[in-house]
Amino acid sequence: DIQMTQSPSTLSASVGDRVNITCRASQSISRWLAWFQQKPGKAPKLLIYKASTLESGVPSRFSGSGSGTEFTLTISSLQPDDFATYYCQQYNSYFGPGTKVEIK
Amino acid sequence: QITLKETGPTLVKPTQTLTLTCSFSGFSLSSSGMGVGWIRQSPGKGLEWLARIDWDGEQHYRASLKGRATITKDTSRDQVVLTVTNVDPVDTGTYHCVRSRADREYQYYYYIDVWGEGTTVTVSS
Repeated sequence: DIQMTQSPSTLSASVGDRVNITCRASQSISRWLAWFQQKPGKAPKLLIYKASTLESGVPSRFSGSGSGTEFTLTISSLQPDDFATYYCQQYNSYFGPGTKVEIK
Repeated sequence: QITLKETGPTLVKPTQTLTLTCSFSGFSLSSSGMGVGWIRQSPGKGLEWLARIDWDGEQHYRASLKGRATITKDTSRDQVVLTVTNVDPVDTGTYHCVRSRADREYQYYYYIDVWGEGTTVTVSS
């Protein structure tokens, strides 16, 4: 099985900060990776698919990059609505453990 | 607008069978490249992909379910049913129904694009 890890597990940041979250796969998954955002009590929401394709309706401050085993989700300028937990997922399979973005 | 809604029991006893129904609208599971699946979320294990059924009837399961799960579809009613036999307390969690779409170029690869809000199931005697 391919294992997914994320770092950091928690991130403290301020509004306006540039934020990077890293997701690593234990073996190559090409570009078959998605990123989700989840707020407390809500279902996750798709942000990015195929490693770097922005889902329709998602603000352009979100971007994804990477391929193979290392991927990055970037929020270019953190907004109040962005404080949430972020998960990566290998298509059809395992999720990462999540990164919680907190207010600094 | 695409919606998915999960229904099922809130409490199930160990060794019993859990049956969850996903009722969806806004798309057809008969359309090429569509799939509907289930994700479980629990404090201890995070998000776990469990199963998916595709537009052509092909079924996919998490290996660790070890033959306990069955996913079926009723296209005429726009419903997908997940059955898990011999449940254990580790099966406790919130079960989300999700829609998946196939990559346009490589139709083997599906990604989740819409989530239901989920239904909470507790396995306890």
